[in-house]
Amino acid sequence: EDQVTQSPEALRLQEGESSSLNCSYTVSGLRGLFWYRQDPGKGPEFLFTLYSAGEEKEKERLKATLTKKESFLHITAPKPEDSATYLCAVRPSNDYKLSFGAGTTVTVRA
Amino acid sequence: AAGVIQSPRHLIKEKRETATLKCYPIPRHDTVYWYQQGPGQDPQFLISFYEKMQSDKGSIPDRFSAQQFSDYHSELNMSSLELGDSALYFCASTHSLANEQFFGPGTRLTVL
Repeated sequence: EDQVTQSPEALRLQEGESSSLNCSYTVSGLRGLFWYRQDPGKGPEFLFTLYSAGEEKEKERLKATLTKKESFLHITAPKPEDSATYLCAVRPSNDYKLSFGAGTTVTVRA
Repeated sequence: AAGVIQSPRHLIKEKRETATLKCYPIPRHDTVYWYQQGPGQDPQFLISFYEKMQSDKGSIPDRFSAQQFSDYHSELNMSSLELGDSALYFCASTHSLANEQFFGPGTRLTVL
């Protein structure tokens, strides 16, 4: 069974304090690993897709990396508007649905 | 850019009532997914449709049914509502040749 574990559950950062979020996964053949941002009461907002180990994607202050067992979402010099829950999800090669992790809730204080 | 549209955005029902949630995918997307997200939980897959046919089924109660129409919009029908059905219900759409799923704003269902 596919499993996605995210850590930490919550992260409190000072503005400008860089940090990383972890997503460990077990999947029967990885079709893609996805990062989403979710604000309270809103739908997940697509950020990145990673397909193979060694791949990296960047968007503004966010950078996602992938190994064979885990993915990291690096937040560089975060701002208060980066406060959100970041969800990691995997899609196995033999399926279409996404399996999500529980998310990491990031709070950035000014 | 056009996004996934869901209606209604909020819905309040009594126990044992029925509810219908609607989802309008991004134009040219042929695949729709439904997810349920309880408070403080991650989204859980319910059901999906590709080209108007059910393509996959997750932890969807027998009280729930769904379909996709010829214009690719989808409806989730929920009957005999229970208190535990209170949650955010998201629809996501994608094109069958792509991997990324794009989520709608969700419908918040409250069962009293």
